[in-house]
Amino acid sequence: DAGVTQSPTHLIKTRGQQVTLRCSPKSGHDTVSWYQQALGQGPQFIFQYYEEEERQRGNFPDRFSGHQFPNYSSELNVNALLLGDSALYLCASSLMQHEQYFGPGTRLTVT
Amino acid sequence: DQQVKQNSPSLSVQEGRISILNCDYTNSMFDYFLWYKKYPAEGPTFLISISSIKDKNEDGRFTVFLNKSAKHLSLHIVPSQPGDSAVYFCAASARNYGGATNKLIFGTGTLLAVQP
Repeated sequence: DAGVTQSPTHLIKTRGQQVTLRCSPKSGHDTVSWYQQALGQGPQFIFQYYEEEERQRGNFPDRFSGHQFPNYSSELNVNALLLGDSALYLCASSLMQHEQYFGPGTRLTVT
Repeated sequence: DQQVKQNSPSLSVQEGRISILNCDYTNSMFDYFLWYKKYPAEGPTFLISISSIKDKNEDGRFTVFLNKSAKHLSLHIVPSQPGDSAVYFCAASARNYGGATNKLIFGTGTLLAVQP
């Protein structure tokens, strides 16, 4: 049973560019949440998708957007990249009220 | 406003002894708490959770204790093993009943080093 997978593993972008990160949830899970983890910090909630809709959103600007597909996989898009967007981006999947299971993350570096 | 706090950035313990990791929270709406372990270059791995209707939950070497009046929880690892060396994150949520999983609020983590 495959766990949560994310792609790519690493990414280097330039300020002002746009980036798309991808996530496939654990088999049987229907909810995908995205988190940003800066160095030395805990993961910060970005938003959550359930039934192909954004259900909850954290304190992140509109430059951060996402999508969930009918197969429950999800994308995170970030426009107009800033240096401060450099972080580990984590995807977590879950089923209803249960614990969230995380993928290995995508390390984004903005130069 | 840090709603979940882990005040000890690091902890060093001898192999075979008990490791106690602490976590405090401020939001009284939190009713579900989780511990995750994270190795470098990996995502957080779920360890154990506890609902606010309980004050203790055990899973093998791992036990989580919840003191609601003090808004405090702790993770006990007995006996500690070198493979337990990792960053441990405490997380909390206010569960949505009848809806999707609610967001997790994380602490800043505690680096546990278990010395052989």
